[in-house]
Amino acid sequence: ETGVTQTPRHLVMGMTNKKSLKCEQHLGHNAMYWYKQSAKKPLELMFVYNFKEQTENNSVPSRFSPECPNSSHLFLHLHTLQPEDSALYLCASSQGTGGQPQHFGDGTRLSIL
Amino acid sequence: GENVEQHPSTLSVQEGDSAVIKCTYSDSASNYFPWYKQELGKGPQLIIDIRSNVGEKKDQRIAVTLNKTAKHFSLHITETQPEDSAVYFCAAHRSYQLTFGKGTKLSVIP
Repeated sequence: ETGVTQTPRHLVMGMTNKKSLKCEQHLGHNAMYWYKQSAKKPLELMFVYNFKEQTENNSVPSRFSPECPNSSHLFLHLHTLQPEDSALYLCASSQGTGGQPQHFGDGTRLSIL
Repeated sequence: GENVEQHPSTLSVQEGDSAVIKCTYSDSASNYFPWYKQELGKGPQLIIDIRSNVGEKKDQRIAVTLNKTAKHFSLHITETQPEDSAVYFCAAHRSYQLTFGKGTKLSVIP
């Protein structure tokens, strides 16, 4: 049973839609992460939040907008996405703030029409 | 930046045999090397890790070795079981950045 919960598990949206991905961790961890997982490519770090402050933005396009209202919740707001943004989006958390994720959620499978 | 190469991309073994997955990294400043297992429909799960001041670490049937001079590290799974079938990722960490390999799909044949 994962301590990191992501919703929804699947999302289909058009390029002009606005949607949000949600992540919640029940582990008391201090850091949370968004990763993108595409076929045949390594996991790509998108954003890092330490103690709910953003510390890393890995050159992610502005059509992805993260939000971290507290150290247990993380959102990824999506708008005007492109077909190449179709992927599995993974949330992770860690006790430490050194960029070493310990627990991943099961991801949101995003498909852009 | 860091570059992590992982081999092989696919690996099939008979149940009970051993499996070895190898990774190389480019940045000698990397100091932490985790391994993740990802089952179908699930997120990656941290299964073992090693720091640069250690040469080998073992946890039951899995072990990881690190050769800092050659800049490579390996995952060893002994007495493989069908539930070991998954995609395995290696990663190398330095300066708040974790760089992943492309993954190895391990199939254990009963």
